Amino acid sequence: EIVLTQSPGTLSLSPGERATLSCRASQSVSTSYLAWYQQKLGQAPRLLINGASSRAIGIPDRFSGSGSGTDFTLTISRLEPEDFAVYFCQQYGGSPLITFGPGTKVDIK
Amino acid sequence: EVQLVESGGGLVQPGGSLRLSCAASGFPFNTYSMNWVRQAPGKGLEWVSYIGRGGNIIYYADSVKGRFTISRDNAKNSLYLQMYSLGDEDTAVYYCARQDTVGALDIWGQGTMVTVSS
Repeated sequence: EIVLTQSPGTLSLSPGERATLSCRASQSVSTSYLAWYQQKLGQAPRLLINGASSRAIGIPDRFSGSGSGTDFTLTISRLEPEDFAVYFCQQYGGSPLITFGPGTKVDIK
Repeated sequence: EVQLVESGGGLVQPGGSLRLSCAASGFPFNTYSMNWVRQAPGKGLEWVSYIGRGGNIIYYADSVKGRFTISRDNAKNSLYLQMYSLGDEDTAVYYCARQDTVGALDIWGQGTMVTVSS
């Protein structure tokens, strides 16, 4: 079973600062099959990044993804007020078919 | 507009059954694999089930295997989740989500709440 671990659990930052979120897999994940999502309170998740580093349609370029194998990173270059939310990573193709990380909450310092 | 709209949630007693539906619009439904994902109150996301474009490839999370059945009707642009033997642990918001070509879930519905309680 592929388990995804995200760190930190909570990241307290100010608008304009850089956010670096980590996602680590218990087994190697195909780079093509690693995604990141943003979820705000009371809303459905929104796809940010697929294929580990490709921004989804309409996602601002301050969001970027990188990594391979078992270590992946989501970076928000300069936090905007609307970026304070919970972020999940997700893998596809392992066992079980899809797993999500527990999430990183980015809140206002 | 590309859209997924879930329905069918509600309050059900432990051991009961419920059928969720997801209506798709704005895209060729029969060309996409689909998934159900749930989120218990205050918790993270849990994948529930996957169905391929034609409906003949299906996967379930171990937590629901044998109790839930996923299906789709491409003629009606609809996805379904039949849930049996519901327990407290099944209380969650249930989302349907479209899957893209690299396994990411690119379109999500607004979710439907299922509460299992006596």
